[in-house]
Amino acid sequence: NAGVMQNPRHLVRRRGQEARLRCSPMKGHSHVYWYRQLPEEGLKFMVYLQKENIIDESGMPKERFSAEFPKEGPSILRIQQVVRGDSAAYFCASSPGARRETQYFGPGTRLLVL
Amino acid sequence: AQTVTQSQPEMSVQEAETVTLSCTYDTSESDYYLFWYKQPPSRQMILVIRQEAYKQQNATENRFSVNFQKAAKSFSLKISDSQLGDAAMYFCAYRERRANSKLTFGKGITLSVRP
Repeated sequence: NAGVMQNPRHLVRRRGQEARLRCSPMKGHSHVYWYRQLPEEGLKFMVYLQKENIIDESGMPKERFSAEFPKEGPSILRIQQVVRGDSAAYFCASSPGARRETQYFGPGTRLLVL
Repeated sequence: AQTVTQSQPEMSVQEAETVTLSCTYDTSESDYYLFWYKQPPSRQMILVIRQEAYKQQNATENRFSVNFQKAAKSFSLKISDSQLGDAAMYFCAYRERRANSKLTFGKGITLSVRP
């Protein structure tokens, strides 16, 4: 049973470009969470999605960031017009249900903005 | 809002010795979960141990155990017989026991293990 998959593992973008980060949850999991880890910091919640629905986006920056989890395919975190401050590790986690306590993390995507 | 505090940025332990990592949290909820995650140099987040707040018994997973003090809102991790592979960042995390609840993390502590 494959774990949470994220790709790419490393992504380099120049300022003003777009970044697309993908997350495939564990088999049977329909709940996806995105977290961001800035250098020397803990993980900060960004957004929580179920299939085709955004449940909680209270941690998402108001501009340039968006997320989706379509009926088919992986969850996508999209960052438009990236700036240097977006450089961070972005982690995806999944769980089988809303009340299941444990979230299983992917390996993360390291985004570097030049 | 819930907060998780890890006040020690770094700790060091001799191989085979025991070390305790501290964590405190603040919440007005009575029912929640607490976690310790390990982040080795690969930066993969690995679940170490989980505690349900409604359980009085402290969780144990092999060499890892917790000291959960609900009244004091304290949740420390004890690593016994430390191994070189235990060297990593350790994050304490909190989650409310309700649907659609996110994890709130502390800033982490860097644990080094001396051979």
